[in-house]
Amino acid sequence: QVQLVQSGSELKNPGASVKVSCKPSGYTFNTYNINWVRQAPGQGLEWMGWINTNTGNPMYAQGLAGRFVFSLDTSVSTAYLQISSLKAEDTAVYYCARVYCSSTTCETKGFDIWGQGTMVAVSS
Amino acid sequence: QSALTQPPSASGSPGQSVTISCTGTSSDIGAYNYVSWYQHHPGKGPKFLIFEVNKRPSGVPDRFSASKSGNTASLTVSGLQAEDEADYYCSSYGGTNRLLFGGGTKLTVL
Repeated sequence: QVQLVQSGSELKNPGASVKVSCKPSGYTFNTYNINWVRQAPGQGLEWMGWINTNTGNPMYAQGLAGRFVFSLDTSVSTAYLQISSLKAEDTAVYYCARVYCSSTTCETKGFDIWGQGTMVAVSS
Repeated sequence: QSALTQPPSASGSPGQSVTISCTGTSSDIGAYNYVSWYQHHPGKGPKFLIFEVNKRPSGVPDRFSASKSGNTASLTVSGLQAEDEADYYCSSYGGTNRLLFGGGTKLTVL
């Protein structure tokens, strides 16, 4: 079964850091790029950017703070989202999502497989 | 405030059809044929319904259809079923390093 499995919920103090993991299964890790999307409480989805699972090169959404970093550990076929200097407004569910490849292209800008989401709560 | 505008709610009775709109600008929906739609049940990851404006991935029922006119995209759910009750999100490519989502529409099956 093709799926993305994310790490569990986190409760952090303001100023701390958190690292969310996203581990694909059921397919070869480096054949699909991974995107990150977040949803703040009561809000819609917000695209954060993506990481090339071949090169490890991250691309961040315009305006995304430098406190957000995408990375890979290819030895364990896992993608990571690290957030440093956490603020209350970072409280959200964070999703990883696999880019969808049609029969002709992977440039569909759609995401076919999503992780179950990781709740990151920032509160003192 | 989301970049794409969706109505906060929509509803219909079982068997009926309902259409959800998604309004952007000439820089996103109006400029590219990269509109996607997702169904989201709380507590789960979103489900992929539509890509490239009106194409369905394998496994998505043809009760789900979509279109685009100008700066507005639309998703139609036909033959409403109880399990269609969920939040629906549109997204559109908006150029380099820009992918925009709508604020979501809560669909209620009466």
